[in-house]
Amino acid sequence: GAVVSQHPSRVICKSGTSVKIECRSLDFQATTMFWYRQFPKKSLMLMATSNEGSKATYEQGVEKDKFLINHASLTLSTLTVTSAHPEDSSFYICSASTGLAGNQPQHFGDGTRLSIL
Amino acid sequence: QQPVQSPQAVILREGEDAVINCSSSKALYSVHWYRQKHGEAPVFLMILLKGGEQKGHDKISASFNEKKQQSSLYLTASQLSYSGTYFCGTGIQSRGKLIFGQGTELSVKP
Repeated sequence: GAVVSQHPSRVICKSGTSVKIECRSLDFQATTMFWYRQFPKKSLMLMATSNEGSKATYEQGVEKDKFLINHASLTLSTLTVTSAHPEDSSFYICSASTGLAGNQPQHFGDGTRLSIL
Repeated sequence: QQPVQSPQAVILREGEDAVINCSSSKALYSVHWYRQKHGEAPVFLMILLKGGEQKGHDKISASFNEKKQQSSLYLTASQLSYSGTYFCGTGIQSRGKLIFGQGTELSVKP
């Protein structure tokens, strides 16, 4: 149980392109979804927290207009990297949690490796 | 503020034990432990909540010292499959987000 599917797993695209990443909870309803960015051999850096039907809460330093997050249902959240540039290249991972995130585990997707040329 | 994990890296032989520590400067509500293998998603290991507790399954267990705001992950009789990077994630509220430590890279050799 508690499977999270993230798609696509890898994207290579030209600078200026917008890229959409999907995160789905397959066998549970995710009250809260999180989006992280991870650099090689580094920690998980939280970008934003999203709750179904409400606006995402972004961490300090994360551009809202650059990284658009939509949590349309209890099983789907999307992250759109708008007008991506080489510095946006990274590993993006989503996670999903039921109920209160503090006392419930986060279940992670397999991540999306984004490469901007 | 990011919790501090120690050690940063550890190399073990199969069957040896290891302890990974996670310290925070803030009062914690919860500590989560995850293991991530190279190129894969982090996998949930366990959660410890304030009140001070200890949990375990199989040969992996953890403790949470609320007074010191520290958690320790214990791996006993390590197996090759234990290799990976271990992250602690700390939460200061019941409804809150997690802030992850910098990770501890564990390598178990035959």
